[in-house]
Amino acid sequence: EAGVTQFPSHSVIEKGQTVTLRCDPISGHDNLYWYRRVMGKEIKFLLHFVKESKQDESGMPNNRFLAERTGGTYSTLKVQPAELEDSGVYFCASSRGGTAVVSYEQYFGPGTRLTVT
Amino acid sequence: GNSVTQMEGPVTLSEEAFLTINCTYTATGYPSLFWYVQYPGEGLQLLLKATKADDKGSNKGFEATYRKETTSFHLEKGSVQVSDSAVYFCALFNTNAGKSTFGDGTTLTVKP
Repeated sequence: EAGVTQFPSHSVIEKGQTVTLRCDPISGHDNLYWYRRVMGKEIKFLLHFVKESKQDESGMPNNRFLAERTGGTYSTLKVQPAELEDSGVYFCASSRGGTAVVSYEQYFGPGTRLTVT
Repeated sequence: GNSVTQMEGPVTLSEEAFLTINCTYTATGYPSLFWYVQYPGEGLQLLLKATKADDKGSNKGFEATYRKETTSFHLEKGSVQVSDSAVYFCALFNTNAGKSTFGDGTTLTVKP
C-alpha cells in the first residue's frame, strides 16, 4: 500500500508569488488533513477534509490560503500571494474515517518545505 | 481546548544513555496519545501510541505510558543509539475535535 505522498518536496519562491502544494492520500482514506510547522515550533492544524467537503478549516491562517480536494481524492493547498511568514514545512495526513478507534490513526506524508524569500 | 506541552530541547546524549522526553497534555474527553518521530530529511512517522488510560505504547525500544491522573505521556528509552537522533513530537487526537494537537517537538542528538 502506497503511503501519503506530497509534491513538491521543497519549494523556494519569492514574496508575492503563488505556490500550490499537492497531497495524495492513501487510497480509500476519506479524511485528509493539512498541518504546518513554522519556525521550528509546533505542528499546527490547518484544515480537514472528509471526502471532498471541508469539515474544519479553523486553522487556516488567512484568505491567502485556499485548499481544495476535487473528487475526494488528492488535495491542493494554494498560497497566493506568499508572504515571508508562510515559510515552513507543510504536512498532509490521511486516515480511514469511521468511528472505530483505529479509523482515526493518521498517516503523514513527508512534507513540503516552503521557503519564501 | 486541547494542548500539548513538551520538554524543551535540544537534548544531547551519549550513546547508551537513558532518554526521557516529558510530555503533558490538556484535553476534554479521552484523547488518544501519540509520539511521532522525524528523522533528518524524512517525513513524520508514528513511533508509538496509546488509546486509553494505563495503556503502554512501545516500539523500537521506546516506551510511553498513558497516565490519566497526571495527564502525561513521557517517552523513554533505556539505551539510545546514534540512529535515534531525530525530532520527536508528542501529540493527541481528540475525536471531539477531529484533529491532532502537537507539542513543539524535541530535537535529540545522540553522540557516539
